[in-house]
Amino acid sequence: DIQMAQSPSSLSASLGDRVTITCRSSQSISKYLNWYQQKVGEAPKLLIYAATTLQTGVPSRFSGSGSGTEFTLTISSLQPEDLATYSCQQSYTTPWTFGPGTKVEIK
Amino acid sequence: QITLKESGPTLVKPTQTLTLTCNFSGFAFDTRGEGVAWIRQPPGKALEWLTLIYYNGEKRFSPSHQSRLNIARDTSRKQVVLTMTNMDPVDTGTYFCSHMSYTFSSGYRYFDSWGQGTRVTVSS
Repeated sequence: DIQMAQSPSSLSASLGDRVTITCRSSQSISKYLNWYQQKVGEAPKLLIYAATTLQTGVPSRFSGSGSGTEFTLTISSLQPEDLATYSCQQSYTTPWTFGPGTKVEIK
Repeated sequence: QITLKESGPTLVKPTQTLTLTCNFSGFAFDTRGEGVAWIRQPPGKALEWLTLIYYNGEKRFSPSHQSRLNIARDTSRKQVVLTMTNMDPVDTGTYFCSHMSYTFSSGYRYFDSWGQGTRVTVSS
């Protein structure tokens, strides 16, 4: 199985801050990497697919980059509604696997 | 608009079989590469993909649970059913069904719509 790691596991930032979350895969997955946002008590929501493509309806303050084994999710200006856990997921090969999540808190 | 909704028991006993139903709408389930998956999340832990059924009936399973899993679809009733045998307390968590999309040109797959999830507790 391809293992997914994320850092940090949690972070606290102020409104308006730029936030960056890193995801690393145990082997190269090209750009087969998706990002999800999950608010407490809710289902995950797709933010970005294919490492860099913003899902329809997702605010442009979210962006993704990377390829191979290292990827980043950036929130350019943190908003109150961004309080959530963010998870990466590889779609390179089955079993499709998720990262452990990064919890984003507002300072 | 794609919607999915899970239903099934909230409590099962150890060794019992879990059956969950996903009722979906908003897609015909006839597009190349399209699928419906089951993904679970133990309390406070990461998401874990379990199984998927493609538009053409092909199935994929997580090797970790393959011997205990089955997935079936009834396109006319717009349902996908998960069956998981020999349930154990470690299987406690929220179970989601999700629609998977596929981009033909590049082969990217992603879970773009999710049900609200259903909580399952395994306890005697």
